[in-house]
Amino acid sequence: QQQVKQSPQSLIVQKGGIPIINCAYENTAFDYFPWYQQFPGKGPALLIAIRPDVSEKKEGRFTISFNKSAKQFSLHIMDSQPGDSATYFCAARSGNNRKLIWGLGTSLAVNP
Amino acid sequence: SQTIHQWPATLVQPVGSPLSLECTVEGTSNPNLYWYRQAAGRGLQLLFYSVGIGQISSEVPQNLSASRPQDRQFILSSKKLLLSDSGFYLCAWSLPGMDEQYFGPGTRLTVT
Repeated sequence: QQQVKQSPQSLIVQKGGIPIINCAYENTAFDYFPWYQQFPGKGPALLIAIRPDVSEKKEGRFTISFNKSAKQFSLHIMDSQPGDSATYFCAARSGNNRKLIWGLGTSLAVNP
Repeated sequence: SQTIHQWPATLVQPVGSPLSLECTVEGTSNPNLYWYRQAAGRGLQLLFYSVGIGQISSEVPQNLSASRPQDRQFILSSKKLLLSDSGFYLCAWSLPGMDEQYFGPGTRLTVT
């Protein structure tokens, strides 16, 4: 059973566009929500993370929006660049369990 | 600063052969260590995690085992590889009590 559902599976945008990747979860005990960026043949890199006490967090061109009541969180990439083309994973973790529960990933292509 | 190493980077092994993948972390003490497997186009599956020397928790019963002979060394092994063991193997670390997990460069294993 997929505890973190990520959508869309793939996404194509033009340079300068704002791709949005969404994740939904069921377990209300989750209290940590990271996003990872993975380039082909490389390990995932931690991009940005949020906790339920805030509704939005920005780091550079990357923004997480968090909706606790809807049990959803999303990643926005402002002014997207071809170098942002990668696979993005959301994840979630509950305080009582150090294991991350992962979404299945979104393959993003930013066209020049 | 902390650094995580994995080797080998790529490996091609015949069915029934043994396996040993190594992961080491530099620049920190008593890290939590994790082994993940990523199948082509799929998300990350947690295989094992360790909170200390000799302490291994298995997440998925399978043909693999893990060991932690030293504080910053994590080894993934198999006595006899199966075709289904092919994939991208990732080691990750985190500081005790902290949420962020940091991944190594990965090992691409192909079982023929």
